[in-house]
Amino acid sequence: NAGVTQTPKFRILKIGQSMTLQCTQDMNHNYMYWYRQDPGMGLKLIYYSVGAGITDKGEVPNGYNVSRSTTEDFPLRLELAAPSQTSVYFCASSLRGQPQHFGDGTRLSIL
Amino acid sequence: GESVGLHLPTLSVQEGDNSIINCAYSNSASDYFIWYKQESGKGPQFIIDIRSNMDKRQGQRVTVLLNKTVKHLSLQIAATQPGDSAVYFCAENIGGSSNYKLTFGKGTLLTVNP
Repeated sequence: NAGVTQTPKFRILKIGQSMTLQCTQDMNHNYMYWYRQDPGMGLKLIYYSVGAGITDKGEVPNGYNVSRSTTEDFPLRLELAAPSQTSVYFCASSLRGQPQHFGDGTRLSIL
Repeated sequence: GESVGLHLPTLSVQEGDNSIINCAYSNSASDYFIWYKQESGKGPQFIIDIRSNMDKRQGQRVTVLLNKTVKHLSLQIAATQPGDSAVYFCAENIGGSSNYKLTFGKGTLLTVNP
């Protein structure tokens, strides 16, 4: 099993550009999550989904959008990139009541 | 502010010693706690979890202790090895059995000296 796969691994954006961070999991998990991790800090929840067609905001959702059209995929969209969105983004998935499994992250720099 | 925090941001131990990493939480409604290990350039890796109806749980070389009276969580690593060097995060869940909206602490950097 590949687990949770995130693409791209690295990306540099200019201010105002848009992009989609991809996340896919092959474990048939119904719960999926997006976090951001700033240097020297813990993870903060951006958005989460409890199943296909259902999404909800986490702690820091501003500037981001998500969709969940399938069980496997949970893309994160940045519409107008800002320097404050420079971070490492982690996607995770889980079954209900079970630990979350994380991908290896996307390192995003906005200049 | 964050409801989950750590007493020590860094911990340096000798190979073979036991390590103890501490975590304080402030939300008495939290019912599930997880420890993750994060190596450089990698995503967090699940180590061990514990539910609020337990005080102690053991895994392979790791033990998690939960003291609900003082809202304290600890991770004990026995016979620490160089491969244990990483940042360790505690996380709490206040979402009930649905396991979402984990709140993470800032992490403790564990360095194991050979």
